[in-house]
This record gives sequence, structure tokens and C-alpha cells, in this order.
Amino acid sequence: DAGVIQSPRHEVTEMGQEVTLRCKPISGHNSLFWYRQTMMRGLELLIYFNNNVPIDDSGMPEDRFSAKMPNASFSTLKIQPSEPRDSAVYFCASGDPARSATDTQYFGPGTRLTVL
Amino acid sequence: DAKTTQPTSMDCAEGRAANLPCNHSTISGNEYVYWYRQIHSQGPQYIIHGLKNNETNEMASLIITEDRKSSTLILPHATLRDTAVYYCIVRVAGTSGSRLTFGEGTQLTVNP
Repeated sequence: DAGVIQSPRHEVTEMGQEVTLRCKPISGHNSLFWYRQTMMRGLELLIYFNNNVPIDDSGMPEDRFSAKMPNASFSTLKIQPSEPRDSAVYFCASGDPARSATDTQYFGPGTRLTVL
Repeated sequence: DAKTTQPTSMDCAEGRAANLPCNHSTISGNEYVYWYRQIHSQGPQYIIHGLKNNETNEMASLIITEDRKSSTLILPHATLRDTAVYYCIVRVAGTSGSRLTFGEGTQLTVNP
């Protein structure tokens, strides 16, 4: 089975540009999570969805960040406008807490974003 | 979610057991202990979890003290591929509030 798929794997952009990160969760999973990892702050949760509905977006840094999940198989994280401090690795994870005995989250390979 | 405390780094010889400790003295009765690891440049990977009994799977064993205030992850025969950052996380499982809160973790280095 395919795991969580993220695209692009690497993104280099200039300050002020719009950036869109994409995630395809594991089929059948009903929870989706966006995390960000930096050296300074470690791994932190930005937002998560249950059944395509945003449950907690308290980790979203500011209005420049937005996330959508239009259907069960696709989610986007958008940054507009991007700033150099947004440079990080962004991970998407999916899970199915209602059915999984382990309530495991499965992480994608991440998108390494560099904002110049 | 309860706070956890882990050593910053540990070393282990290849083929030997790696024992990674975690303190979680404020854990609540309905919180599980989860372990994830992150190999360099990859996403975190689930290892094992438990509530109060010791657990074992194909990757590792988890020993939880009787008072549940601390636990130890055991990799019985560490290999070079086990070099990673290991995160101990305590959380309520199986609810809509299923966030993972990562601390700084323990950098385990397995040496040849």
C-alpha cells in the first residue's frame, strides 16, 4: 500500500511568493495532520482534520497560513505571502483513531521549503 | 498532554541492547505512552505504545513502571539503521483530540 504522499519534496521560492504544499493521505484514514519541523522549534502541529473538517488550527502561525481538505484523499497547506522564517520541513500525517488499535499516525516524507 | 523528559543523547554499540528512558511523572490515568522515531531526513515512524502493561512488538519492547511515572524503550539488538531521534509522547488515544506533541527526543547513535 502507498503511504502518505507529499508534493513537492523540495520547494525553493522567493519571499512574497505563494507556496502550496500537497498531501494525499493513506486511503481509508479519516484524520489528517500538518506538522512543521525547524531546528529552533522542533516538530510542531499546525492543524488537523477529522473527516475533512478542521478540528484544531491553533498551531497555524498566522493568517498567511491556510489549510484545506476538500475531500478525503487530498489536502493543501498554503502560505501567502511566504517569508524566510517559513523555511522548514513540512510533514503531513494521516491516521484512523476510531479504528486503529494503536491510534498510529503515519507520516509522509515531508516537503523541504526554502524561502529566500 | 503530559510533559515528558528524555536524555538529549545516547550511544549504543551495534548488536547490543539500547535502553532509552523517559520520565512522565504527571501522566494521567487515561494517557498512553507512545514512542516514535525519526531517522534523518525522514518523517517520524511509530514504534510502540502502552498504557500500563509491558508491551513487545517486532521493533521493540516497552517497559512501564508500576506507578506509570516512567518508561523505557528497549531495542534488543541495535543496528546502525536504528540511529535516529526517539520521541516519547504521552497522550489520550482514540479520540478526536489525537494530536502528537513532540519534545526534543533522544538522539540515539549506534556505533559499529
